[in-house]
Amino acid sequence: KAGVTQTPRYLIKTRGQQVTLSCSPISGHRSVSWYQQTPGQGLQFLFEYFSETQRNKGNFPGRFSGRQFSNSRSEMNVSTLELGDSALYLCASSPDSPEKLFFGSGTQLSVL
Amino acid sequence: SQQGEEDPQALSIQEGENATMNCSYKTSINNLQWYRQNSGRGLVHLILIRSNEREKHSGRLRVTLDTSKKSSSLLITASRAADTASYFCATEEVKTSYDKVIFGPGTSLSVIP
Repeated sequence: KAGVTQTPRYLIKTRGQQVTLSCSPISGHRSVSWYQQTPGQGLQFLFEYFSETQRNKGNFPGRFSGRQFSNSRSEMNVSTLELGDSALYLCASSPDSPEKLFFGSGTQLSVL
Repeated sequence: SQQGEEDPQALSIQEGENATMNCSYKTSINNLQWYRQNSGRGLVHLILIRSNEREKHSGRLRVTLDTSKKSSSLLITASRAADTASYFCATEEVKTSYDKVIFGPGTSLSVIP
């Protein structure tokens, strides 16, 4: 089985722009979670989708949003980018419950 | 918010030695997991221990869980240079709705050849 695929691998944006990140889960996995990783804050939970519905949400502003499609692929969007949004964004999939998460390699976002 | 807190933040040992990392958490959990992350890459699941288990082994890994103290430890025996990575504990919180997995800040392990 192919692993979790995140695209793009690297992204450079400027303040005020918006960005969309993509995540393709392992085939058959219906749950997709997103995390933001920074040196100062560590891994912060953004949200989790299951069968196209957001099941859980972290403590991030409304500028961070996501969605999941019928084929379980997920996207996350960040609008009005700020310098502090520079981070590694990780996507993880699991069949149902998050007892074992399978992570992608992440998208490294740099906001200039 | 972070549920788990790892200790120590960084650990440096010689190849062949054992490495022990600790994790403390705050709320009731369904299970606790340990993950490894090599520099700048995605995390890899190592082992899961359920709230009704006290100890679990997987190869050179040994995990313990003490729910009364809300703490867990990960022991890597006979460490190798390839074990150099960051290690994170993650807890699945007990919620009335669907659970979510929260990660601690991690322990950076350096194994010197």
